[in-house]
Amino acid sequence: DADVTQTPRNRITKTGKRIMLECSQTKGHDRMYWYRQDPGLGLRLIYYSFDVKDINKGEISDGYSVSRQAQAKFSLSLESAIPNQTALYFCATSESGTGSEKLFFGSGTQLSVL
Amino acid sequence: DQQVKQNSPSLSVQEGRISILNCDYTNSMFDYFLWYKKYPAEGPTFLISISSIKDKNEDGRFTVFLNKSAKHLSLHIVPSQPGDSAVYFCAARINNAGNMLTFGGGTRLMVKP
Repeated sequence: DADVTQTPRNRITKTGKRIMLECSQTKGHDRMYWYRQDPGLGLRLIYYSFDVKDINKGEISDGYSVSRQAQAKFSLSLESAIPNQTALYFCATSESGTGSEKLFFGSGTQLSVL
Repeated sequence: DQQVKQNSPSLSVQEGRISILNCDYTNSMFDYFLWYKKYPAEGPTFLISISSIKDKNEDGRFTVFLNKSAKHLSLHIVPSQPGDSAVYFCAARINNAGNMLTFGGGTRLMVKP
């Protein structure tokens, strides 16, 4: 079984709809992240959480919200989806302290907003 | 403006030859650099890293070189194998409480048999 699991793998939605992407991990890591990948722009950080009570905005948080339901679960919501949120979304985890820059990624969710 | 840039979107190399992937950065506060490898339909996986106090780090067929004065790093793969065909991302970190990574845009490497 994958250490970092994202659901769904693919999602097509319409402009204005609310959607949620889910992430769960079995690595026991405290830190969790949501990134989006766009061609030529690499991976950009949306939100991150260092523990259950800690939520922080990343580089591109506008239009997104997150919930850290438990140490192992971190979900990303698009309250009202728009076409430029079409992208590949990745959840990632890392340890606390030394080595925390080494991220472990899920397989991604391809989101298309029509 | 992107602080970490990979100026070559793609690279094609013959099997057995050397692959050289380049990455430039602008922020002199970056002190740790990483390379991630991504296959289709999978998430990126950590490949190799280097601290700013070093200029070279080697792991098997993979070597990363860092030139701080030029703000440039490169990943060498020798010899290249078809299984190395993937997208490679470089990333950089500033050593603060967050240890957040800034990623480059990626380079697609194709190793031809």
